[in-house]
Amino acid sequence: AQSVSQHNHHVILSEAASLELGCNYSYGGTVNLFWYVQYPGQHLQLLLKYFSGDPLVKGIKGFEAEFIKSKFSFNLRKPSVQWSDTAEYFCAVKQYNNNDMRFGAGTRLTVKP
Amino acid sequence: KAGVTQTPRYLIKTRGQQVTLSCSPISGHRSVSWYQQTPGQGLQFLFEYFSETQRNKGNFPGRFSGRQFSNSRSEMNVSTLELGDSALYLCASGLAGSNEQFFGPGTRLTVL
Repeated sequence: AQSVSQHNHHVILSEAASLELGCNYSYGGTVNLFWYVQYPGQHLQLLLKYFSGDPLVKGIKGFEAEFIKSKFSFNLRKPSVQWSDTAEYFCAVKQYNNNDMRFGAGTRLTVKP
Repeated sequence: KAGVTQTPRYLIKTRGQQVTLSCSPISGHRSVSWYQQTPGQGLQFLFEYFSETQRNKGNFPGRFSGRQFSNSRSEMNVSTLELGDSALYLCASGLAGSNEQFFGPGTRLTVL
């Protein structure tokens, strides 16, 4: 069965530090990949997505992610985090043309001012 | 354009009762998916509806059911509530043929 693993449960960084959150998935077919963010008290928002093409995708708020097919990975990065990036981040994978989206367990990011 | 709306936002029920949650998708979106979010299990896919038909279903017991109306609005029903059904229930909508989903704010269900 398709599964998604996020390596870090809770990450604590200081402002201006660089961020990398890991995400691996198990499905071997054509997949669509997503990173969602959930700010405290708010609903899930799409950060970025990968469907095809350039494996390095850029999203909102300075986030980017790289799809490495050979490693079944889609890691999220940001060169310099801000206090306002404090949130929970979810990696999600769905099979192409199937809306059964599988989410990772989430990574809680705390950015200290 | 209005986003996905879910009603009610908060709900308290007791064990054994049933509950119906409602989701109104973004105008023009015909696909509606439901998810359960809990601290222990994270986000889990419940089911997806498209044009009033259930297209996909997750691994939840038959107590969880749903339906979609001709205007694409969807309802989710949980019968014989258990304590473990306490969760945030999220609805997401998407365009036909699109792989992107937009999430609503969720309904927080508490079962006492």
